[in-house]
Amino acid sequence: SQQGEEDPQALSIQEGENATMNCSYKTSINNLQWYRQNSGRGLVHLILIRSNEREKHSGRLRVTLDTSKKSSSLLITASRAADTASYFCATSPPGGGNKLTFGTGTQLKVEL
Amino acid sequence: DAMVIQNPRYQVTQFGKPVTLSCSQTLNHNVMYWYQQKSSQAPKLLFHYYDKDFNNEADTPDNFQSRRPNTSFCFLDIRSPGLGDAAMYLCATSGFSNQPQHFGDGTRLSIL
Repeated sequence: SQQGEEDPQALSIQEGENATMNCSYKTSINNLQWYRQNSGRGLVHLILIRSNEREKHSGRLRVTLDTSKKSSSLLITASRAADTASYFCATSPPGGGNKLTFGTGTQLKVEL
Repeated sequence: DAMVIQNPRYQVTQFGKPVTLSCSQTLNHNVMYWYQQKSSQAPKLLFHYYDKDFNNEADTPDNFQSRRPNTSFCFLDIRSPGLGDAAMYLCATSGFSNQPQHFGDGTRLSIL
């Protein structure tokens, strides 16, 4: 069953704008990860945030995690047309191991 | 570059005719995963290996089998494909814990 749900399902913005995607999950986690998937390709790992972390940055990406609300957000600043893709959050359960359960995904379209 | 390679990228088979998808990795990761992803949906884990230990998801149909003859290779066998098995099949690898997963570009399976 799906662990996470993402919001919005689809997002269309202009190049240069910021894009925010939200992920909610149901059970305790060890870590939460964000992945990008270009059409017809595999998933590419973006950021991993552990359950004891609240915020992480990588280039134009900023991820927050609120374990009390069981939610995370991914912010892409100054978006580019090349950021057009589907974005998935994925959670890893407590107790070690690295099995992931993926959220429903957000389709981002960045227009010129 | 170290990577995860899936062959073939596109596979067409007939209803009920067995098919094998392959995955190889040069990352020397202990864990390998097989996911099924249907159009506009999240990847769904079918099974994974911790080294040679096979772990099947509870809702993976018996029609799906897997083999991992060595660290580098993993195969997905679909014994009698049905129309509902048409999907993208993704292979991924990772270390044991708190590690991102590295995905191949997938095999898109069509059933005639």
